[in-house]
Amino acid sequence: DQQVKQNSPSLSVQEGRISILNCDYTNSMFDYFLWYKKYPAEGPTFLISISSIKDKNEDGRFTVFLNKSAKHLSLHIVPSQPGDSAVYFCAASMNSGYALNFGKGTSLLVTP
Amino acid sequence: ETGVTQTPRHLVMGMTNKKSLKCEQHLGHNAMYWYKQSAKKPLELMFVYSLEERVENNSVPSRFSPECPNSSHLFLHLHTLQPEDSALYLCASSQENRDTGELFFGEGSRLTVL
Repeated sequence: DQQVKQNSPSLSVQEGRISILNCDYTNSMFDYFLWYKKYPAEGPTFLISISSIKDKNEDGRFTVFLNKSAKHLSLHIVPSQPGDSAVYFCAASMNSGYALNFGKGTSLLVTP
Repeated sequence: ETGVTQTPRHLVMGMTNKKSLKCEQHLGHNAMYWYKQSAKKPLELMFVYSLEERVENNSVPSRFSPECPNSSHLFLHLHTLQPEDSALYLCASSQENRDTGELFFGEGSRLTVL
């Protein structure tokens, strides 16, 4: 049973525009959410995170929004750059657990 | 030197072979993980070691056998695997700090079982 879902397997955005990647979760016990970025032939790298006590966290061009009532979070990248082209994984954890639950990932392509 | 190093990067083995994947972390973390990434599936947690003790085993078949001799090293011993075990195996480490929950991943070992 998949607790973290990324329903869009791919997304294509023009350079300079906003990229919005979405993630839904089912377990209300999750209290920490993370986004990872993965290039081909590399391991995932941490991008940005948000605690369940917040609804927004911003780091440069990246902003994560959390809507707890909808069990939904999103990652905004603005402006998008070709180097942002990668697979983005949403992940969630709970205080009682050790590890992260990941979504299937969304492949983002930023075109010049 | 990267924080989490995995060897080999690529491995091809037959179903009767015995091989091992190795992971080493240089970050001073006290928890290490094995994840499996299959095509079109989310990353699946296999094993978690905290302070060198196994704390989680997600119903992984016994043909996968982890070993954590110290806090910096983690192995995944493989024997009599099946073709469906072909996947990218990712090692990760973390510091048991609930403020971040961040995992640091290695580059993965791409396993092909013939």
